[in-house]
Amino acid sequence: DAGVIQSPRHEVTEMGQEVTLRCKPISGHDYLFWYRQTMMRGLELLIYFNNNVPIDDSGMPEDRFSAKMPNASFSTLKIQPSEPRDSAVYFCASSSGFTGNTIYFGEGSWLTVV
Amino acid sequence: AQSVTQLDSHVSVSEGTPVLLRCNYSSSYSPSLFWYVQHPNKGLQLLLKYTSAATLVKGINGFEAEFKKSETSFHLTKPSAHMSDAAEYFCVVSDWNTGNQFYFGTGTSLTVIP
Repeated sequence: DAGVIQSPRHEVTEMGQEVTLRCKPISGHDYLFWYRQTMMRGLELLIYFNNNVPIDDSGMPEDRFSAKMPNASFSTLKIQPSEPRDSAVYFCASSSGFTGNTIYFGEGSWLTVV
Repeated sequence: AQSVTQLDSHVSVSEGTPVLLRCNYSSSYSPSLFWYVQHPNKGLQLLLKYTSAATLVKGINGFEAEFKKSETSFHLTKPSAHMSDAAEYFCVVSDWNTGNQFYFGTGTSLTVIP
């Protein structure tokens, strides 16, 4: 079975540019999570969705960040405008909201803003 | 409220010796507990999970963990370390009663000395 699929795997962009990260969750999963990982702050939950609806976006750092989930098989995380401090690995993850749920991670999108 | 404490930020063992990575949790209900492993430049991979079945849980690559409710612990062990075990390990607690949120520990970096 295909796991969580993220794209791009690596992106280098200039400060001020718009960045869009994409995620395809595991089919049938009704929860989708966006995490950010840095050396300084570790793994941080940015936002999560249930049945395509954002449930908790309190981890989104500021208005430059936005996330959408237009359907059950696709989500985006957008940064506009990007700044060097946004450089990090962004993970998408999904889970099924039933007993014994497990969260499955994608391979991550490695973002460098110069 | 749920929380996870990984008691060691770094653990170093010699190849062939036992591994012990410690995790304590706080949960108001009956939690699900997980261990994930992250190899360098990779995503997080599920090692094992506990969901109120047997208290001794066996995972992949020879790892196992024991759920001890009285001690609120979920320590990860392996009888004999291999060089390929060098990675970051995350303990995670989840409780469906609190909306399917996952709470991550800060991680333990395992070094294996040849």
